[in-house]
Amino acid sequence: KAGVTQTPRYLIKTRGQQVTLSCSPISGHRSVSWYQQTPGQGLQFLFEYFSETQRNKGNFPGRFSGRQFSNSRSEMNVSTLELGDSALYLCASSRGGAGYNEQFFGPGTRLTVL
Amino acid sequence: DAKTTQPPSMDCAEGRAANLPCNHSTISGNEYVYWYRQIHSQGPQYIIHGLKNNETNEMASLIITEDRKSSTLILPHATLRDTAVYYCIVMDNNNDMRFGAGTRLTVKP
Repeated sequence: KAGVTQTPRYLIKTRGQQVTLSCSPISGHRSVSWYQQTPGQGLQFLFEYFSETQRNKGNFPGRFSGRQFSNSRSEMNVSTLELGDSALYLCASSRGGAGYNEQFFGPGTRLTVL
Repeated sequence: DAKTTQPPSMDCAEGRAANLPCNHSTISGNEYVYWYRQIHSQGPQYIIHGLKNNETNEMASLIITEDRKSSTLILPHATLRDTAVYYCIVMDNNNDMRFGAGTRLTVKP
């Protein structure tokens, strides 16, 4: 079974630009969660999508948004990039049904903002 | 915000048991304890989770105190490949995972 895939793996942008990251979950998984990881703040939860609806949200500004498609693939968008947005962005997929579901993480997209 | 406290780092000799503690004194009745680990430059990997009873799987054992205010993850025979950051997380069944700083475990030969 293929794992969680994220594209692109590396990205360089400049301040003020916007960026879109993509995540393809494991086949059959309906939940996709996004996380930001930086050396200073560690792993921080951004949001979770389940069946095309945002189900949970972390404490990030509105510049960070996401969506999920009917095939469960998800994208996250960051607008008006700031230097502090440089980070490893991880997505995780799970079955997403009632109760806890083990999350499977992808390799991440490393975003550098110059 | 993370609801757990873990030591920032620990060392363990290869082949010995690694015991990683976690304090979660404000855990509520419907919250589970989860452990994930992150090996350098990879995404986190699920290890184990539990509510009240001790749990064991092929990777590790989880010991939760009777008052549920703390727990210990046990890797029975640590190998060099177990060197990683280990995260203890408490949450209910809503997939809203809040990671703390974790414990950086270094397994030494």
